[in-house]
Amino acid sequence: DGGITQSPKYLFRKEGQNVTLSCEQNLNHDAMYWYRQDPGQGLRLIYYSQIVNDFQKGDIAEGYSVSREKKESFPLTVTSAQKNPTAFYLCASIRTSGGMNTEAFFGQGTRLTVV
Amino acid sequence: KNQVEQSPQSLIILEGKNCTLQCNYTVSPFSNLRWYKQDTGRGPVSLTIMTFSENTKSNGRYTATLDADTKQSSLHITASQLSDSASYICVVSDGDMRFGAGTRLTVKP
Repeated sequence: DGGITQSPKYLFRKEGQNVTLSCEQNLNHDAMYWYRQDPGQGLRLIYYSQIVNDFQKGDIAEGYSVSREKKESFPLTVTSAQKNPTAFYLCASIRTSGGMNTEAFFGQGTRLTVV
Repeated sequence: KNQVEQSPQSLIILEGKNCTLQCNYTVSPFSNLRWYKQDTGRGPVSLTIMTFSENTKSNGRYTATLDADTKQSSLHITASQLSDSASYICVVSDGDMRFGAGTRLTVKP
C-alpha cells in the first residue's frame, strides 16, 4: 500500500544528545515537509524539500537538520542546539499539480520527549 | 498573527448532536482550503478539499462550506459519534500551506 511512514512512534532524548526521526514515503511525491506540533498551537514548519538533494528552512529551523538523498526519505535530526525539543513531530509528503500544492499526506507522527 | 483562525478552541457535545466548527482566514491569494481530522497521537487525515469556486462539499456526515468573499469556512458534523472526538484542522493554501491551531472536539455518550 502507498503511504508515508514515520518511526519511531515514541522517542526519548537525553540532554545534549542528537536524535534522528525517520520519514519514508512511497507515494512518489517530490515534496516532503517536517512540522512540529505543540499543544494548542498549529503546525509549525521546520524544514521542507521540494526535490532530491535540496531543502529549505521553515519558520523554526534552528536546532534541527535534514537531508534528502533519496526521493523516498527525509530524515530529521534534532540536535542538542534545540533547547526545547519535547513535541509531536509530523512528516508530510505533498502531491503537487501545476506547481500548486494540492494535498498533504501525513505520517503517524513521532512524540519526542527529553528525559 | 496567524493567517488562519479557528473557533472554538475546544467543544464538548453529546453523542448524536450536530456541531459546526469555524475557520476564518486572511491568506491571499487563495488556492484551496482543506479540513483535516487528527486523532490524538496520530497524523492528520484529509476530510475535504475545496477550491475557490466551490461553496460546499460533503464527506459522509461531514459538510464543509466556503465563502471566499468573507474568507470563512465551516465544518458541520451531523449526528456526532464518539469516534468524531478529535482535533479538526483548517489548512489554507496560497502555494504554501497555512495551518490553523485546530478545534478540539469531544463527543460524550
